[in-house]
Amino acid sequence: GEDVEQSLFLSVREGDSSVINCTYTDSSSTYLYWYKQEPGAGLQLLTYIFSNMDMKQDQRLTVLLNKKDKHLSLRIADTQTGDSAIYFCAETSRDYKLSFGAGTTVTVRA
Amino acid sequence: SQTIHQWPATLVQPVGSPLSLECTVEGTSNPNLYWYRQAAGRGLQLLFYSVGIGQISSEVPQNLSASRPQDRQFILSSKKLLLSDSGFYLCAWRTSTGELFFGEGSRLTVL
Repeated sequence: GEDVEQSLFLSVREGDSSVINCTYTDSSSTYLYWYKQEPGAGLQLLTYIFSNMDMKQDQRLTVLLNKKDKHLSLRIADTQTGDSAIYFCAETSRDYKLSFGAGTTVTVRA
Repeated sequence: SQTIHQWPATLVQPVGSPLSLECTVEGTSNPNLYWYRQAAGRGLQLLFYSVGIGQISSEVPQNLSASRPQDRQFILSSKKLLLSDSGFYLCAWRTSTGELFFGEGSRLTVL
């Protein structure tokens, strides 16, 4: 969506770290999310961060939030072939709606 | 635990034919329900959302309609499909913290 922007592609070598970036426009965003979509499947919620937090870590995933710059990133440590997927950034600031970015296609090469 | 089901998973329909995609949620009551469309190589576009039985909000003008005849049932319909209706349709329900849980999707090809 036009409120959330992401780069479209990322290629990373197996074992390296992946960093996926996202910017959003709504300064009243309350929650920000990262979803993963594998080929032909629905979206799976990976993690989310509340807007009053700067960082959240969950195993290999680290989410960083720079609220001043409206910038969100997802770092995947020790990237594996199973991490190849499309990753969507999303935000919600209104009662019922989430706005999604266009998705970043992550390709993990051996 | 909550689960969400969509069907059919795959559909090939001729232009001008009707459409009905169904979504049901189990394990929760009075969920907020959503229909999204994902066109090939693109992000998710919110089509409809519903906060209760008979309550439908449309996000974009289009050839599609939605209905919510029961608390945990959400239906996406069209009377006459267009080529541009092809895409991957995703139903979702929302938790109180705003997380969306998605169904497995329905891939529609209009020929």
